Amino acid sequence: AQSVTQLDSQVPVFEEAPVELRCNYSSSVSVYLFWYVQYPNQGLQLLLKYLSGSTLVKGINGFEAEFNKSQTSFHLRKPSVHISDTAEYFCAVSLFSSGSARQLTFGSGTQLTVLP
Amino acid sequence: DGGITQSPKYLFRKEGQNVTLSCEQNLNHDAMYWYRQDPGQGLRLIYYSQIVNDFQKGDIAEGYSVSREKKESFPLTVTSAQKNPTAFYLCASKRDGQGPYEQYFGPGTRLTVT
Repeated sequence: AQSVTQLDSQVPVFEEAPVELRCNYSSSVSVYLFWYVQYPNQGLQLLLKYLSGSTLVKGINGFEAEFNKSQTSFHLRKPSVHISDTAEYFCAVSLFSSGSARQLTFGSGTQLTVLP
Repeated sequence: DGGITQSPKYLFRKEGQNVTLSCEQNLNHDAMYWYRQDPGQGLRLIYYSQIVNDFQKGDIAEGYSVSREKKESFPLTVTSAQKNPTAFYLCASKRDGQGPYEQYFGPGTRLTVT
């Protein structure tokens, strides 16, 4: 079975500073990886995904993530954050070869708070 | 615009009552999912369905029931057997159950049981 660990539950950062949200996964097979964002009292919105190919993935709102197979990581980065980036961010993993619809396993989330 | 709707956004019930949460999608997706979200615990899968008239239990199905009579609808019933039903419930759908596609989420329903 796969699992996802988001190493930081809370990340405060000042506006216009860079940020990195960490995500590590464990799986015995290849995986697909996703980052979602959730604003207060709303559903989740896909930021970016890694399926195959280039290990650097660019997403919406200026976010990017790098897949590192040897370190089993998929950290999310943004070079300069805005107040509007304040939200909870979830990393999720899906098995490459699973035939089941119940593929997505989520991390526990990281609350990003951007300070003025 | 295609998307997922969940209603109502806020729901209040007395302990011992069953309550049904609505989830409708017009994305023509085959697979649908119900998650429960509690603070600091991420999302936990309750039930999922790959096709009409078929569904499977997720990790925390006890005290919940679902039906999938139509492709676009996947209602969730929280029964009185669910010991701690107060939570934020999210419905999601995916193009099909097999492929590496992302899940699309509805806006959620916050259920409070007192």
